[in-house]
Amino acid sequence: AQSVTQPDIHITVSEGASLELRCNYSYGATPYLFWYVQSPGQGLQLLLKYFSGDTLVQGIKGFEAEFKRSQSSFNLRKPSVHWSDAAEYFCAVGVLGAAGNKLTFGGGTRVLVKP
Amino acid sequence: DGGITQSPKYLFRKEGQNVTLSCEQNLNHDAMYWYRQDPGQGLRLIYYSQIVNDFQKGDIAEGYSVSREKKESFPLTVTSAQKNPTAFYLCASTPRRGGRYNEQFFGPGTRLTVL
Repeated sequence: AQSVTQPDIHITVSEGASLELRCNYSYGATPYLFWYVQSPGQGLQLLLKYFSGDTLVQGIKGFEAEFKRSQSSFNLRKPSVHWSDAAEYFCAVGVLGAAGNKLTFGGGTRVLVKP
Repeated sequence: DGGITQSPKYLFRKEGQNVTLSCEQNLNHDAMYWYRQDPGQGLRLIYYSQIVNDFQKGDIAEGYSVSREKKESFPLTVTSAQKNPTAFYLCASTPRRGGRYNEQFFGPGTRLTVL
């Protein structure tokens, strides 16, 4: 079965600094990979996704992620963080099976932004 | 605007009572999902449905029930058999297109508190 690990539960970053969130997955085939963001008390918004092709994918809000098959990783990055980026971020791996699409989520990383 | 609505946003119930959470989508999506979110545990799949009148158990289905009588609606009932029902519940949907994987779109969530 697939699994997703986000090693960092909390990250604090200064406004304007760079941000990198780590994600490692376990899955036997080429995965479908996602990053979602959640503001407090809200639903999840898709930041970006990787299905195939170029391993560096661009998303909304200035985020990007790089798929590294050799490391089973899909880390999320942003060059310069804004205060509005404070939220919880979830990495997920998708599996297309006989019963349809399924998503497995990591435990999430909460990002705090210092002024 | 197309989207997913969940109601109510906040729900309070006494222990031992069944409660039903609403999820409606007007995206014409075939598949719908229910997730439970607890702090530090990411999202866990409760039930999912690929087509009307059909649904499957997810990873934590015990104490929950669902129905899928209409394409746009997928209500979740939290029964008295669920030992720890207090959580944030998220509904999601996705189209089914020719066997391709498609990302899931999420509703705003319902916070259930059992007193």
